[in-house]
Amino acid sequence: NAGVTQTPKFRVLKTGQSMTLLCAQDMNHEYMYWYRQDPGMGLRLIHYSVGEGTTAKGEVPDGYNVSRLKKQNFLLGLESAAPSQTSVYFCASSPTSAHTGELFFGEGSRLTVL
Amino acid sequence: AQSVTQLGSHVSVSEGALVLLRCNYSSSVPPYLFWYVQYPNQGLQLLLKYTTGATLVKGINGFEAEFKKSETSFHLTKPSAHMSDAAEYFCAVYPPSGNTPLVFGKGTRLSVIA
Repeated sequence: NAGVTQTPKFRVLKTGQSMTLLCAQDMNHEYMYWYRQDPGMGLRLIHYSVGEGTTAKGEVPDGYNVSRLKKQNFLLGLESAAPSQTSVYFCASSPTSAHTGELFFGEGSRLTVL
Repeated sequence: AQSVTQLGSHVSVSEGALVLLRCNYSSSVPPYLFWYVQYPNQGLQLLLKYTTGATLVKGINGFEAEFKKSETSFHLTKPSAHMSDAAEYFCAVYPPSGNTPLVFGKGTRLSVIA
């Protein structure tokens, strides 16, 4: 039972480098989300998608881009990494809108930007 | 905008003691409310949720929460703490109308002392 899988789990970048985090879910969920978790800040929504081919901005979208070309995948990109983007990133999915169902989370991707 | 406030970023209890984690929400209409738990180095998982109906909600691992509209609260309790309950707990809110995703509180870290 894979559920939600995030790759990579750890990454160290230098300022200005780019990278992509991949989230894959095998539950045929419509909704997918990217959150970042920082100490004392809880989880903050970066971007989300309500279906294949759609994306929307969350609370903290600046510096990130996303794509949902396939229903099962949701990619988070950093075009030019900054130290402020050092964080733990969580992907989640839900079968419909979050208020009726639960969110299913991946195990997180820890990113350090030097 | 919907929001939740978790009182206390860190709560420490003795094993066998009552666990009480506080959550207050701001909403003009009764929202849907959730508690999630995050064990070390893992993603979040749903503990319990309130949408409609009975205001006392039971979840996994002996936790329960009561929706109190008059107090705009949704506090999480467990009669007797176990060492395995040590984790971070997040309250989350979703408005019953609209499509914005879940909004999480900043989290409360629960420590259980032997």
